[in-house]
Amino acid sequence: EDQVTQSPEALRLQEGESSSLNCSYTVSGLRGLFWYRQDPGKGPEFLFTLYSAGEEKEKERLKATLTKKESFLHITAPKPEDSATYLCAVRSFSGNTGKLIFGQGTTLQVKP
Amino acid sequence: DAMVIQNPRYQVTQFGKPVTLSCSQTLNHNVMYWYQQKSSQAPKLLFHYYDKDFNNEADTPDNFQSRRPNTSFCFLDIRSPGLGDAAMYLCATSGLAGGGSGANVLTFGAGSRLTVL
Repeated sequence: EDQVTQSPEALRLQEGESSSLNCSYTVSGLRGLFWYRQDPGKGPEFLFTLYSAGEEKEKERLKATLTKKESFLHITAPKPEDSATYLCAVRSFSGNTGKLIFGQGTTLQVKP
Repeated sequence: DAMVIQNPRYQVTQFGKPVTLSCSQTLNHNVMYWYQQKSSQAPKLLFHYYDKDFNNEADTPDNFQSRRPNTSFCFLDIRSPGLGDAAMYLCATSGLAGGGSGANVLTFGAGSRLTVL
């Protein structure tokens, strides 16, 4: 069964304090790993897609990396506006639909 | 801007009173999804449509139904809401179920938060 586990569940950082969020996955065949940002009371907002081990993508203070078993979302010198829940999701080769299986998320709080 | 719009944003209902949530999209995407997200939990897929083809998840309760009258609109019907159905309901769309890299990206609406009294 496809499964996604994120850690830690919650993370508190001081502004400027860099850190990483982890997403571990088990899938029958990875067809994409996705990172989303979700603000309270809102729908998830797309950040990155990664398809193969070794791939990296960057956007402002965020950098996503992928290995065969996990993905990391690195946050460099975070600001308070980076506070949100970060969701990881995978799509597998099982079936031909585009559905995503989500992890429970990491809630990040950045204090000024 | 092309987008996914959900209505209502907040819905309060009584135990057992039917509820309908709506989702519309201007992206002209083939696939529409309904996810249920409870507090501090992962979004859980209830069902999705690939064009008019309906795909129900095996563990989605019979209490939940969906309709897609055309490409732009999709509805979630909860026939007899229970206290355990209180959650955020997220609608999402994507271009093609089996398409290329960009097609897998889901675009979400802002969600409909359901409260059951």
